[in-house]
Amino acid sequence: GNSVTQMEGPVTLSEEAFLTINCTYTATGYPSLFWYVQYPGEGLQLLLKATKADDKGSNKGFEATYRKETTSFHLEKGSVQVSDSAVYFCALLNAGGTSYGKLTFGQGTILTVHP
Amino acid sequence: EAQVTQNPRYLITVTGKKLTVTCSQNMNHEYMSWYRQDPGLGLRQIYYSMNVEVTDKGDVPEGYKVSRKEKRNFPLILESPSPNQTSLYFCASSYATGGKSSYNEQFFGPGTRLTVL
Repeated sequence: GNSVTQMEGPVTLSEEAFLTINCTYTATGYPSLFWYVQYPGEGLQLLLKATKADDKGSNKGFEATYRKETTSFHLEKGSVQVSDSAVYFCALLNAGGTSYGKLTFGQGTILTVHP
Repeated sequence: EAQVTQNPRYLITVTGKKLTVTCSQNMNHEYMSWYRQDPGLGLRQIYYSMNVEVTDKGDVPEGYKVSRKEKRNFPLILESPSPNQTSLYFCASSYATGGKSSYNEQFFGPGTRLTVL
């Protein structure tokens, strides 16, 4: 079946540091890939997406590139801020099959940014 | 404002006492889904619904029921809650998906934190 693996957390960085959160996936077909962010006490928000190989999703300074050859979708940001402290989830959307619309999530990575 | 709402946001209950968590969306989405979030496991799908009167099991459906009598509502029912159902629950909705290249953003509710004693 489909699965998503994220790097273990928590990740603690100083403000303006470079961020990478690794994400790899296993899937059949051509899944779409996502990063969701969960701020403290809130629900999940879509951060960025990519729907086909070599697509780059970007939003709020975050970027991730859909790499089919390495089955990866790593999240990066050049200079993090305290306000980026949150839990980040990598996810894939089953394309077709019997579970339309089902998001398969990684385990989440807690990011804490200190001033 | 387009949104998914859930009630209650917090609930503490005892084993065996039936409860319902409501979910409502105002975006006329066909697809709705329930997930539970547990530390180290991410989010796992409980049930989903492609449209009114169409529901199906996700990965962890045991101990849960759902119904979809109206397009906007998708309640999650725990007939006899147990402590292993203590979790954070999220409802999500989107336009219906399907096909090789389909994608529709899922919108999530704020979550319901359930504790079963």
